[in-house]
Amino acid sequence: AAGVIQSPRHLIKEKRETATLKCYPIPRHDTVYWYQQGPGQDPQFLISFYEKMQSDKGSIPDRFSAQQFSDYHSELNMSSLELGDSALYFCASSLEGYAGELFFGEGSRLTVL
Amino acid sequence: AQRVTQPEKLLSVFKGAPVELKCNYSYSGSPELFWYVQYSRQRLQLLLRHISRESIKGFTADLNKGETSFHLKKPFAQEEDSAMYYCALKDVQGGSEKLVFGKGTKLTVNP
Repeated sequence: AAGVIQSPRHLIKEKRETATLKCYPIPRHDTVYWYQQGPGQDPQFLISFYEKMQSDKGSIPDRFSAQQFSDYHSELNMSSLELGDSALYFCASSLEGYAGELFFGEGSRLTVL
Repeated sequence: AQRVTQPEKLLSVFKGAPVELKCNYSYSGSPELFWYVQYSRQRLQLLLRHISRESIKGFTADLNKGETSFHLKKPFAQEEDSAMYYCALKDVQGGSEKLVFGKGTKLTVNP
């Protein structure tokens, strides 16, 4: 069965550069979530989208932005990267109203040098 | 504020021994709780949810509202249970929903 696909799997950037992460949800899933997981940390909620509209916002820095497109894929854009942005970024999808059952991608590991 | 606490960062047991992974929560509404598991080199996946009252891979978890706990238990641990386990709370606010995770417990089952 198709799962949540994230790209790239690994990304290395320098400070002050920009990065874009992509997420392709499971077909027919209309809700996408982004989580950030630092080393040894729990996944921290960043932002979510339902039907291409932002539905909730967590601890996402102003330097980050995200959107969901007409085909339901989502992109997380990160600018002015800092060393502390190095983390594993998870995308998850679900059917609206089933937020407890999230289907996660394998994550995109961002390293900022 | 909503919060999920997993007091044990690491837990190590021998094969065949009982295992209990602790989870406590703080939430003002009616809680919905879940356990997610991440095996080595695999993605995070749902293990079980309290509303289902199900047993998955021998694991069970009972929601105790009096103690605000949702501990995960298995009577006889297996080596393949070694993984990272996250307790999660469904946070519903302003019409939107998201999961709030605990910091996770790394379970190691030794042969």
